[in-house]
Amino acid sequence: EVQVVESGGGLVQPGRSLRLSCTTSGFAFDDYGMSWFRQAPGKGLEWVGFIRSKGYGGTTEYTASVKGRFTISRDDSKSIVYLQMKGLKTEDTGIYYCNRDDGWFDPWGQGTQVTVSS
Amino acid sequence: QSALTQPPSASGTPGQRVTISCSGSISNIGNNFVYWYQQLPGTAPKLLIYRNNQRASGVPDRFSASKSGISASLAISGLRSEDETFFYCATWDDSLSGRVFGGGTKLTVL
Repeated sequence: EVQVVESGGGLVQPGRSLRLSCTTSGFAFDDYGMSWFRQAPGKGLEWVGFIRSKGYGGTTEYTASVKGRFTISRDDSKSIVYLQMKGLKTEDTGIYYCNRDDGWFDPWGQGTQVTVSS
Repeated sequence: QSALTQPPSASGTPGQRVTISCSGSISNIGNNFVYWYQQLPGTAPKLLIYRNNQRASGVPDRFSASKSGISASLAISGLRSEDETFFYCATWDDSLSGRVFGGGTKLTVL
């Protein structure tokens, strides 16, 4: 059974950094790309970024609003994907989700709350 | 502003059939598969439809979807009170090199 568990969220001041983790199980992690998403309070879903599997170069893509501030990395030995967030802004507040990228995303974890506020 | 356009709201009465549209462009819907997700406020999203029209495991056949050109739609027949949730369409955008979501549609069962 595929499972993803996000962790590492919390309250952080604007301009500071935070690293989220996504621990996975139930599938061959190193064969899959992984995506991060977020949902601001009362807003819709937003794709944050993606890391390809090592077999496809392990390269990354990001949505424009986080390019240069967020970095996705992966540890295939631990089946974990990370989202390093720097220079956080209040508009980065929301629930962050990760998922195995099959083109579709299923199942979803409960996410981890990130609140950027002074 | 989302790359995919959905109506912010839709409504129907129990037993009725409703459709939710998702409009995009050649760089997203036109060239890629469309996916649909359902989300109750305060809970994680759930996959409904993958690859334009394939129901995810456990999704009742009251839910169906289609794609034509640069638009897609989700149809829900035999509307039930538990269908009163949010629905999102999603796809890949070749120009943005990233995944995009519609803004979401809140379905109300009257």
